Amino acid sequence: DVKVTQSSRYLVKRTGEKVFLECVQDMDHENMFWYRQDPGLGLRLIYFSYDVKMKEKGDIPEGYSVSREKKERFSLILESASTNQTSMYLCAIQRPTDRAPEQYFGPGTRLTVT
Amino acid sequence: AQSVTQLGSHVSVSEGALVLLRCNYSSSVPPYLFWYVQYPNQGLQLLLKYTSAATLVKGINGFEAEFKKSETSFHLTKPSAHMRDAAEYFCAVSLGGGGFKTIFGAGTRLFVKA
Repeated sequence: DVKVTQSSRYLVKRTGEKVFLECVQDMDHENMFWYRQDPGLGLRLIYFSYDVKMKEKGDIPEGYSVSREKKERFSLILESASTNQTSMYLCAIQRPTDRAPEQYFGPGTRLTVT
Repeated sequence: AQSVTQLGSHVSVSEGALVLLRCNYSSSVPPYLFWYVQYPNQGLQLLLKYTSAATLVKGINGFEAEFKKSETSFHLTKPSAHMRDAAEYFCAVSLGGGGFKTIFGAGTRLFVKA
């Protein structure tokens, strides 16, 4: 079974705090993604990584950064949390050699910024 | 550019009735298409995927979807709804081939009435 774990299921932070969300996989997959999910908007890609120390901006990277020092771990960082970053954050992994590469998701972190 | 449109943000059916969730896509090249399901407080999991091998794709939990190129559609169906099918469903499109980006629709929440 594929296992993607996220460090917290629920998180409450104050405006201006630095927030770390961590994602760990046990599948040795190269590609890792961070999405945010908001009602009516589906999933929007924040950042992705296709290798250690490699990262690419997604569609909504503003206000976020990422770190991938080890293959199994991909961290999302909110440099200075704001209330408009209250959302559900989903991590996903993918094996790029698959012909139709599906994504495997973690359970999500529901972040509230007050 | 690729895009996905899911018709209807909410769909309500009675238990035992047909489930039909609609998805239309836009892609400049033959795409790979996916349906994911998200149960409450969980991440997304794959229901089924279209890889061009067959236009009618069978997935888990009795769901299936038909790829219709002429209509640019990939609608999800299930002959008889169960209470446990109540969830949010996402249609997604990807170019595959190691391509990283998957575009997700806004989601359709399925309600099942007893």
